[in-house]
Amino acid sequence: DQQVKQNSPSLSVQEGRISILNCDYTNSMFDYFLWYKKYPAEGPTFLISISSIKDKNEDGRFTVFLNKSAKHLSLHIVPSQPGDSAVYFCAASSQNQAGTALIFGKGTTLSVSS
Amino acid sequence: NAGVMQNPRHLVRRRGQEARLRCSPMKGHSHVYWYRQLPEEGLKFMVYLQKENIIDESGMPKERFSAEFPKEGPSILRIQQVVRGDSAAYFCASSPGTSYGYTFGSGTRLTVV
Repeated sequence: DQQVKQNSPSLSVQEGRISILNCDYTNSMFDYFLWYKKYPAEGPTFLISISSIKDKNEDGRFTVFLNKSAKHLSLHIVPSQPGDSAVYFCAASSQNQAGTALIFGKGTTLSVSS
Repeated sequence: NAGVMQNPRHLVRRRGQEARLRCSPMKGHSHVYWYRQLPEEGLKFMVYLQKENIIDESGMPKERFSAEFPKEGPSILRIQQVVRGDSAAYFCASSPGTSYGYTFGSGTRLTVV
C-alpha cells in the first residue's frame, strides 16, 4: 500500500521549457512534503519543501504547489536545464520535525534535452 | 566541511555472510537515519538513531538487521546472514535535529551473490 505515489516513471522536456513533476498521497495526516533530486550513484539531495499550511513555495527556478483537498503536489522547474536531468523523489511526513521517517515515492526520471 | 560519509561504496557478500555498513554524519549532526532503496523502488525508512539510542526502528526487518550509533565513531548498520533479497542501496542521512535538513550520503550498494 503506497502512501506516496509518483505515477509517471519518466518525463522528457526540452531545455528552456517547464517541467512539471506530480505526486499524490493518500494519508491525510501528512503535513510536510519534500522533493529530493538524485543523480546516479549519489545520494538524494534536498531540493524544496512545503508545509501543509501553505499552498505554494518558491525557490529560484523551483516551485512546489500543494493541493490538500486533492492530496496532490507538484514540482515546477522553469526554465528546465540539461543539468536538471535526474530522478526526482517526492517525500512526505506526518510531523514537521526532524526524527520522523519520510515516506518516499518511487521517483520520476526527468530528462532535459538541449 | 565533509558531508555524510558512507563506506564502503560497494560491498559484495556471499549468502550467509555478514555485511557491515558504516556512516559518519556531518559534523555537528547528532541524528542519523538509515534508508534502503530496492531496485525500481523509492527509499524506505529503516531506523532513526541519536547518539547511543535507537529512537525509531519501525522500518527495520525484525531479524538479521541491527543498527547502532555509539558515543564515539560512526553509525553501523549490520546485516547478518545476508540473502539475495538484501541486495540494495543503503543510504544514511544525518540532521542537526532541529529541522528536516536531511543530508544524505552517497550510499552503500550491497550485492549478495
